[in-house]
Amino acid sequence: QVQLVQSGAEVKKPGASVRVSCKTSGYTFTTSGISWVRQAPGQGLEWMGWIYNGNTKYAQKFQDRFTMTTDTSTSTAYMELRSLRSDDTAVYYCAKDLGRPPHWFDPWGQGTLVTVFS
Amino acid sequence: SYVLTQPPSVSVAPGQTARIPCGGNNIRYKSVHWSQQKAGQAPVLVIYDDSVQPSGIPERFSGSNSGNTATLIISSVEAGDEADYYCQVWDGDSVVFGGGTKLTVL
Repeated sequence: QVQLVQSGAEVKKPGASVRVSCKTSGYTFTTSGISWVRQAPGQGLEWMGWIYNGNTKYAQKFQDRFTMTTDTSTSTAYMELRSLRSDDTAVYYCAKDLGRPPHWFDPWGQGTLVTVFS
Repeated sequence: SYVLTQPPSVSVAPGQTARIPCGGNNIRYKSVHWSQQKAGQAPVLVIYDDSVQPSGIPERFSGSNSGNTATLIISSVEAGDEADYYCQVWDGDSVVFGGGTKLTVL
């Protein structure tokens, strides 16, 4: 079955960068996109961007310090968020994305908690 | 940017029907998707394209979309349906989520 398995929790200091991986299996990686969504503690879902066949679309809020990449040889997607602040503390999810509008997400990874703490 | 509005909470007794609204300007012209998030878990897609159930989702979950409101409908509600529910659309430039609705099963 389709699975997305994310890397483990991270603790970072303000100003640092974090990289999260999302290893996929159970489908042909290049036929779908990957979206990244985050959820701050006790808050709702916030879309960060998607990547499909090397093409990327970033939410305006993140486009200056957020980068998505993929490694098709290992069917793995990566996200990097730079210049971390305390309000970047959140669970970060990857999700299999249709790759085109209207962009639904199925399934989701298990999430990666990123804590920004001085 | 496009705004989706959901009530913070909806309560329903077991066996009854829950209706969770998602408001947006002329939302009827957009494809609406719904995800369920149980406490401490990742979201799960329960409806896409307004009313289509992904494989493995019970038929008790359905959706509608007209005017300025899309609705997730859960019939014969069970205790296990207690969760946060999020609506989602593509607004032409970005993915937009509603603020989420907590469904409480009384």
